[in-house]
Amino acid sequence: GQQVQQSPTSLVLQEGENAELQCNFSTSLNSMQWFYQRPGGSLISVFYNPSGTKQSGRLTSTTVIKERRSSLHISSSQITDSGTYLCAMEPGNMGYKLTFGTGTSLLVDP
Amino acid sequence: ETAVFQTPNYHVTQVGNEVSFNCKQTLGHDTMYWYKQDSKKLLKIMFSYNNKQLIVNETVPRRFSPQSSDKAHLNLRIKSVEPEDSAVYLCASSSGQGANSDYTFGSGTRLLVI
Repeated sequence: GQQVQQSPTSLVLQEGENAELQCNFSTSLNSMQWFYQRPGGSLISVFYNPSGTKQSGRLTSTTVIKERRSSLHISSSQITDSGTYLCAMEPGNMGYKLTFGTGTSLLVDP
Repeated sequence: ETAVFQTPNYHVTQVGNEVSFNCKQTLGHDTMYWYKQDSKKLLKIMFSYNNKQLIVNETVPRRFSPQSSDKAHLNLRIKSVEPEDSAVYLCASSSGQGANSDYTFGSGTRLLVI
């Protein structure tokens, strides 16, 4: 089964609204990372977040390793936030690789 | 500039041809990777190398062969490409594993097999 479950699959917001993206892991993990990808674009690391809460501008990530979950909160969304958000984990029993979720496709309308 | 650099950006080839993709990282990382992103945008690990040693080989067909000359370079060769090899191939590097596994990705090589 899918080791990394992301929700929602897609999300449409009006500019200025907030968004909460979720990531759940079915196995133990060493660390996890949030990435952002525009259509046809490269993967850009948003947060490297082994555990706890981190904030960068309008983005906040909270990871609870013991509960195998992470969230990404986007406040006051902007049109330029549109794209795909991917979470990935390094499995606890196997380093040297990331297992990715299927992503959340975000569209922010004006 | 420190980053992960991939060439070419885009490649079109016919079934049965051989292709090679290059990847170089200037981050001083010990570990490099190749990932494949399919048409549904799902990313899957193909290979991991740590200090030029193969660590992970994730049930990839034999026509795929990674090549590492040093820890800053990891190339990917595909002998006799097939239509299902059409995808985006992403190279990445990290400084280690576990708590030190902050990954940086290249911009990808888009392969189209016709």
